[in-house]
Amino acid sequence: EVQLVQSGAEVKKPGESLKISCKGSGYSFTSYWIGWVRQMPGKGLEWMGIIYPGDSDTRYSPSFQGQVTISADKSISTAYLQWSSLKASDTAMYYCARLYSSGCLDYWGQGTLVTVSS
Amino acid sequence: EIVMTQSPATLSVSPGERATLSCRASQSVSSNLAWYQQKPGQAPRLLIYGASTRATGIPARFSGSGSGTEFTLTISSLQSEDFAVYYCQQYNNWPLYTFGQGTKLEIK
Repeated sequence: EVQLVQSGAEVKKPGESLKISCKGSGYSFTSYWIGWVRQMPGKGLEWMGIIYPGDSDTRYSPSFQGQVTISADKSISTAYLQWSSLKASDTAMYYCARLYSSGCLDYWGQGTLVTVSS
Repeated sequence: EIVMTQSPATLSVSPGERATLSCRASQSVSSNLAWYQQKPGQAPRLLIYGASTRATGIPARFSGSGSGTEFTLTISSLQSEDFAVYYCQQYNNWPLYTFGQGTKLEIK
């Protein structure tokens, strides 16, 4: 069974750093792109970027380029999303998902809620 | 960036009736279009990809159609569990994939 399991909810202060994770199982983790999607409170889905764990090829949406870093450790089948300096506007639910058939997202993690507040 | 526009923003339909949701792309995305369902407190779920192919385990009452810039998701006979928010997503413009803003399907 394909599963993506994300790390737990985080509460951080503005300016702090954060790295959240997404662990894949039940399939060849290195053979599928992983995407990250943001959902701000009460809002829609936003495409952040993708990574190919096989060689760590990473692509970002222009809106998120320079704002976050996407990485992966294929030895432990885990992808990451990190911030070096959080802002209140980073408060959102973040989902990882597996890319299938050139770009739709067929399996999703359960989401990680990030709350940034002073 | 390809902009995806969904209509209507909210659709009120009675159980057992048909629901038709629309998605328009600002430029052609061929058939590289997916639909997702999201219920409160849950991650999105893939319903349709390739504009018209149902994902694994998706009931036959869900169907997708269209190509180019105009797409439709039809739910033939609404069940109580179908009331949710629906998103379209284009994956034609590698790697800048984009979602529509969503249509909330509510009980009339």
